[in-house]
Amino acid sequence: GEDVEQSLFLSVREGDSSVINCTYTDSSSTYLYWYKQEPGAGLQLLTYIFSNMDMKQDQRLTVLLNKKDKHLSLRIADTQTGDSAIYFCAETTSGGSYIPTFGRGTSLIVHP
Amino acid sequence: DTAVSQTPKYLVTQMGNDKSIKCEQNLGHDTMYWYKQDSKKFLKIMFSYNNKELIINETVPNRFSPKSPDKAHLNLHINSLELGDSAVYFCASSPQQDSPLHFGNGTRLTVT
Repeated sequence: GEDVEQSLFLSVREGDSSVINCTYTDSSSTYLYWYKQEPGAGLQLLTYIFSNMDMKQDQRLTVLLNKKDKHLSLRIADTQTGDSAIYFCAETTSGGSYIPTFGRGTSLIVHP
Repeated sequence: DTAVSQTPKYLVTQMGNDKSIKCEQNLGHDTMYWYKQDSKKFLKIMFSYNNKELIINETVPNRFSPKSPDKAHLNLHINSLELGDSAVYFCASSPQQDSPLHFGNGTRLTVT
């Protein structure tokens, strides 16, 4: 299986919360990241969490890390149509030369 | 503007040709990367370059070669282009290893 896995699609209504999930396999992770990619653009760093943290909040974004289950989630509160994009989870590990490994991305579609 | 910039944005060429993609960062970062994103949006690391140390993904064909004239530049040369090389190629940089990546806007390569 892949090192970092995400579901491919998520559809939500404007104003609702979105939760994007990610699982990873390597327990030697150092940092876990969330990136956002809009059409025709590069990846933009949204937030990241150090592997010894459980939670990080930044305005509308909340990251939860369950290290035991190797599960990472990104919650977007009050989702807006401008949040429609592909969201990538990524992991760096001490065994992987600290080069980020990305999941396949979750396409978030926000309906008005 | 401080950024990671890639040129060209679009590149259309025929099979068998040799081409280069340029990347420059003015962020003062020590580490640079090349990623390939396929039609299903999967991002795969090709190369990482840090303090003259090159880390190569072993699955990358040797037709691909990175060249770094200085710390701010990491160019990608591709020889004998094949149809399967068609993809979006992203350059990225980070302050040092194991820190967040800053991405360029990508180069869409189409091989006909």
